[in-house]
Amino acid sequence: AQKVTQVQTEISVVEKEDVTLDCVYETRDTTYYLFWYKQPPSGELVFLIRRNSFDEQNEISGRYSWNFQKSTSSFNFTITASQVVDSAVYFCALSHPYSSASKIIFGSGTRLSIRP
Amino acid sequence: AAGVIQSPRHLIKEKRETATLKCYPIPRHDTVYWYQQGPGQDPQFLISFYEKMQSDKGSIPDRFSAQQFSDYHSELNMSSLELGDSALYFCASSLNRGLETDTQYFGPGTRLTVL
Repeated sequence: AQKVTQVQTEISVVEKEDVTLDCVYETRDTTYYLFWYKQPPSGELVFLIRRNSFDEQNEISGRYSWNFQKSTSSFNFTITASQVVDSAVYFCALSHPYSSASKIIFGSGTRLSIRP
Repeated sequence: AAGVIQSPRHLIKEKRETATLKCYPIPRHDTVYWYQQGPGQDPQFLISFYEKMQSDKGSIPDRFSAQQFSDYHSELNMSSLELGDSALYFCASSLNRGLETDTQYFGPGTRLTVL
């Protein structure tokens, strides 16, 4: 069975602080995709990143960085120098890439609030 | 770049009524997915279509049906609406690259309220 766990339900930090959102996943597949999506108060789901299971290189995109560790089945997301516009619900997710149409399994989400 | 289009964006219905949600995928995308997100919940997969054929099915009630048309747009039909059907319904699309499916991109969602 596939499962994604985000233990942090809500996080609140002051602007400019660094914040890390944790994600732990379970799957019996050897090949899979991991994702992070952002859902701002307006409601849309914004794609942030996709990692393949065979690519454990960490990735940095501006103030965002992702740490993928297969040994601990974790895919954590760090925002450096947070800003108020980063306030949103962030979902970690998992899918199996090799099928005709692969559903995404989402975690329960972490609500991030950045205080000015 | 063109994104996934969903219509309507907001819909209010009475119990036991019928609703139809439409989804227009990103051009050249051949796979469409439907997800339901209840208040304070994560999105839950309902159903997907690849090349106009149903390819996977999740926790979709029997009262719901969907299809993908020749132009790749998809419609989710919901009958005998219940209060619990009130949710945000997302459509996502992706391109199937042979055996491997590409990233799913989500539309803005349709917010359905059942009174």
